[in-house]
Amino acid sequence: AQTVTQSQPEMSVQEAETVTLSCTYDTSENNYYLFWYKQPPSRQMILVIRQEAYKQQNATENRFSVNFQKAAKSFSLKISDSQLGDTAMYFCAFMKHAGSQGNLIFGKGTKLSVKP
Amino acid sequence: DGGITQSPKYLFRKEGQNVTLSCEQNLNHDAMYWYRQDPGQGLRLIYYSQIVNDFQKGDIAEGYSVSREKKESFPLTVTSAQKNPTAFYLCASSAWVLADTQYFGPGTRLTVL
Repeated sequence: AQTVTQSQPEMSVQEAETVTLSCTYDTSENNYYLFWYKQPPSRQMILVIRQEAYKQQNATENRFSVNFQKAAKSFSLKISDSQLGDTAMYFCAFMKHAGSQGNLIFGKGTKLSVKP
Repeated sequence: DGGITQSPKYLFRKEGQNVTLSCEQNLNHDAMYWYRQDPGQGLRLIYYSQIVNDFQKGDIAEGYSVSREKKESFPLTVTSAQKNPTAFYLCASSAWVLADTQYFGPGTRLTVL
């Protein structure tokens, strides 16, 4: 069974600085997807970034980028130029590729606070 | 606006009662999902549906039931058999079940009194 581990329950960062959130996962699959979702106080889950395991290039979305290390089964999220609106819970999630039931496996989350 | 709506936002239930949570999407997505979120936890899959009139159990289906009579609707019923129903419930959809990206609704907070 796949598992996702987020080892940092809480983190804080000063506005405009950079922060990195950690995520490791365990799987025997070779093809899969990885995601970071953001859950602000409104509690709606918002997709931040996605990564296909077969792509070596790290995904980037504006101020958000990932460091995907397939051999180490590591998938960290870097937030540059942190903004107050980035304050939220961040969840790392895993999904098997073709043939799966589409089940997202979530970590327990990291609570990020951006301080002015 | 295209998206996923869930209603109500807050729901209170007495012990022993069944209650139904609504989920509607106008994204023309084939697949829909129900997740449960408990404090300090990630999301866990309750049920999912790949197509109208078909649905499959997820990891924690006991005490829940669903239907999929229309493509755009996937209601979840929390039955009296669910031992600990107080939680936050999130509905999601994806273009098809093997599609990689799921999009979420705003959620329903269910409290059992």
